[in-house]
Amino acid sequence: ILNVEQSPQSLHVQEGDSTNFTCSFPSSNFYALHWYRWETAKSPEALFVMTLNGDEKKKGRISATLNTKEGYSYLYIKGSQPEDSATYLCAPNAGNNRKLIWGLGTSLGVNP
Amino acid sequence: ETGVTQTPRHLVMGMTNKKSLKCEQHLGHNAMYWYKQSAKKPLELMFVYNFKEQTENNSVPSRFSPECPNSSHLFLHLHTLQPEDSALYLCASSQAGDYGYTFGSGTRLTVV
Repeated sequence: ILNVEQSPQSLHVQEGDSTNFTCSFPSSNFYALHWYRWETAKSPEALFVMTLNGDEKKKGRISATLNTKEGYSYLYIKGSQPEDSATYLCAPNAGNNRKLIWGLGTSLGVNP
Repeated sequence: ETGVTQTPRHLVMGMTNKKSLKCEQHLGHNAMYWYKQSAKKPLELMFVYNFKEQTENNSVPSRFSPECPNSSHLFLHLHTLQPEDSALYLCASSQAGDYGYTFGSGTRLTVV
């Protein structure tokens, strides 16, 4: 059984602060890692799909890194804005059946 | 709008009722999914359809019955549900299954 852990579970930052979250997953049989942003009352929105060890992806003020050997990914938000308030979910494709296994997410609140 | 439309947005049903959830995508994706999201739990995959064929049933009780008449439409037929089935039901689609998913906004189901 695969275990995906995201930390912290929740946090609040001030507008303009930079922040980061962690996604930990078993490194065996890794295939890809997905990051999603889920705003309240909206659809989960795909941010990144990462496959290569050492990969780094960027979308505006949000970036992510991947370490498949040790089984973790970091998501960074630079200069947080109130519109960044959302739950950030990670989900590795792993295991023999390559299913997406979802974490519980990190809930971010950005205070203006 | 993400390109994946779910109806209804909210549904209240009694335990003896029969209802259906609808999902529609015109993104040209060939895979569609039903997910269940309960409070304080990660997203749970229920069913997967690839090219209209069901390829996964994740041990879902038979009171949930999916139907995929074509590659653009997916239904979830509900009958004799239990109060613990109350949750957010999300539909998603993807191309080839290994890329990012596009989610609908979900149906908030309450069973009374």
